[in-house]
Amino acid sequence: GDSVTQMEGPVTLSEEAFLTINCTYTATGYPSLFWYVQYPGEGLQLLLKATKADDKGSNKGFEATYRKETTSFHLEKGSVQVSDSAVYFCALSFRPRNQFYFGTGTSLTVIP
Amino acid sequence: DAGITQSPRYKITETGRQVTLMCHQTWSHSYMFWYRQDLGHGLRLIYYSAAADITDKGEVPDGYVVSRSKTENFPLTLESATRSQTSVYFCASSESTAQETQYFGPGTRLLVL
Repeated sequence: GDSVTQMEGPVTLSEEAFLTINCTYTATGYPSLFWYVQYPGEGLQLLLKATKADDKGSNKGFEATYRKETTSFHLEKGSVQVSDSAVYFCALSFRPRNQFYFGTGTSLTVIP
Repeated sequence: DAGITQSPRYKITETGRQVTLMCHQTWSHSYMFWYRQDLGHGLRLIYYSAAADITDKGEVPDGYVVSRSKTENFPLTLESATRSQTSVYFCASSESTAQETQYFGPGTRLLVL
């Protein structure tokens, strides 16, 4: 069935370091792909999304490219800040089943 | 400009009791969802609703009941709570199909003793 696999955490980086969080998916078809972020004590909020192959989603310096050939949607940021400390979730949705599938989340801590 | 709210934010109950978690959204979004978040599992869909009076099961529906008599409300009921239902519950909504961005509430932390 459809599923999302993302890299295990936690991840600890120094401020201004480069970030990559890997996400791969399994889907019978062409899902939309999402990255959500959860700050401590809050609900999830959309970070970026891509709806078709080769699309690049970007927001707040984060980027991810929908790679159909490798079934991946890796999240990257060139220079992380302390305020980026959060849990990041990769997700997919697939028409027409109206279901969302989330990865297990990757906790990121950025230290000054 | 309340968006999507959940109540209560924290709840402690005992095994066997009935518990209802409330979710309310002010956007008139068609779709609403209930998820549970557990360590090592991420978020798992419990139930969703495409419109008032239309609900469907998600990945982990057993032990839960939902209703949607009004577009803006989507309560989740645990008919007889079990310890395995200790979790953080998130409600979400989206404007049209499930492929659209989902907007999440702040969550309800439930402890079943």
